[in-house]
Amino acid sequence: DAGVIQSPRHEVTEMGQEVTLRCKPISGHDYLFWYRQTMMRGLELLIYFNNNVPIDDSGMPEDRFSAKMPNASFSTLKIQPSEPRDSAVYFCASNRLASTDTQYFGPGTRLTVL
Amino acid sequence: AQKITQTQPGMFVQEKEAVTLDCTYDTSDQSYGLFWYKQPSSGEMIFLIYQGSYDEQNATEGRYSLNFQKARKSANLVISASQLGDSAMYFCAMRATNTGNQFYFGTGTSLTVIP
Repeated sequence: DAGVIQSPRHEVTEMGQEVTLRCKPISGHDYLFWYRQTMMRGLELLIYFNNNVPIDDSGMPEDRFSAKMPNASFSTLKIQPSEPRDSAVYFCASNRLASTDTQYFGPGTRLTVL
Repeated sequence: AQKITQTQPGMFVQEKEAVTLDCTYDTSDQSYGLFWYKQPSSGEMIFLIYQGSYDEQNATEGRYSLNFQKARKSANLVISASQLGDSAMYFCAMRATNTGNQFYFGTGTSLTVIP
């Protein structure tokens, strides 16, 4: 069974450009999470969805960030316009609502904004 | 509020020795789960072990065991017989059932295994 799939794996862009990160969760998982990881701030939860509905977006840093989940098998995280301080590794994770179920992380997208 | 604390930014251990990585948590919920993840230098997050708040036995998975002390709200990870491949960041996380499905992560501990 395929794990969480993220694309692209690496993205280098210039300040001001729009960036779209993509995630395909594990089939059957009804929760999807977006995290950002930096050396300075560690692992931060940005937003999470349940059955395609955003539940908590309080971690989204500012209006430049937006996330969608149009269906159970696809989610995007968009940054427009991007800034150098957005450089980080962005992880997508998914799981089922079972008390013992771990989150399954994707490989991450390493974003560099020049 | 839910909170995970890892007080050891970095740890060193001799190869083949055991090491304990500390984790304390704070929650008012009675039902919760505790998780440990490994993040090697390649960047992926790897699930290691799970402990439920109602589990009476400490969880074990191969060389990993979780020293769960509920009254002290601690969930320390013990790695036995350390290997060079154990060098990585280790994250403790908690999910409290009554606050939905959100996971709360600690700041991590960097473990270096010395040959």
